[in-house]
Amino acid sequence: GAVVSQHPSWVICKSGTSVKIECRSLDFQATTMFWYRQFPKQSLMLMATSNEGSKATYEQGVEKDKFLINHASLTLSTLTVTSAHPEDSSFYICSARSGTSGGSYNEQFFGPGTRLTVL
Amino acid sequence: AQSVTQLDSQVPVFEEAPVELRCNYSSSVSVYLFWYVQYPNQGLQLLLKYLSGSTLVKGINGFEAEFNKSQTSFHLRKPSVHISDTAEYFCAVIFRSGNTPLVFGKGTRLSVIA
Repeated sequence: GAVVSQHPSWVICKSGTSVKIECRSLDFQATTMFWYRQFPKQSLMLMATSNEGSKATYEQGVEKDKFLINHASLTLSTLTVTSAHPEDSSFYICSARSGTSGGSYNEQFFGPGTRLTVL
Repeated sequence: AQSVTQLDSQVPVFEEAPVELRCNYSSSVSVYLFWYVQYPNQGLQLLLKYLSGSTLVKGINGFEAEFNKSQTSFHLRKPSVHISDTAEYFCAVIFRSGNTPLVFGKGTRLSVIA
């Protein structure tokens, strides 16, 4: 299957700083990328969906000014957590999909996740 | 409303015993169905998926699942579990209307006891 990478795999930062997480599709072009958040012992919650060259669509309750998503190319999306606070500590997982729906199935591939700890 | 429900948050089972992890969904449109496994501090690994065709789907690590449209279920089964199967298992659905993302159930923690 296709490979999605995330960088960094873990990061520790001080409260008030900003953190950028990169998500790359290594061997395919990702028309759509998704960002999920997972709290300990909980499920993955979709934060936002981004299409290359377009503004991201955020799920209800997700602050778009706090979680900045950029999908500037078909192989790279970034999530920036601005002015991070301890409650932002979580496991962030990106996912990438090629093509569009149109009735056919395009698999969604997942990155390995980034563990963010805000002190 | 469209949703995915995993009925058991935790399932303890003895090694070499069979296991079934339950998943039900609610949808007004057709769906694609998936099971993922997540080991501690790791990302997701796809176990199996149902897109169309045969309702019995075989996946990796000896797991299989059966799509039951009338019961809107997609239960995961393994005839004999190993200690290494201890992990979190997520049922997920793509609702086939537009470019929609995977929606996950809350997960089931499978604990295999020696």
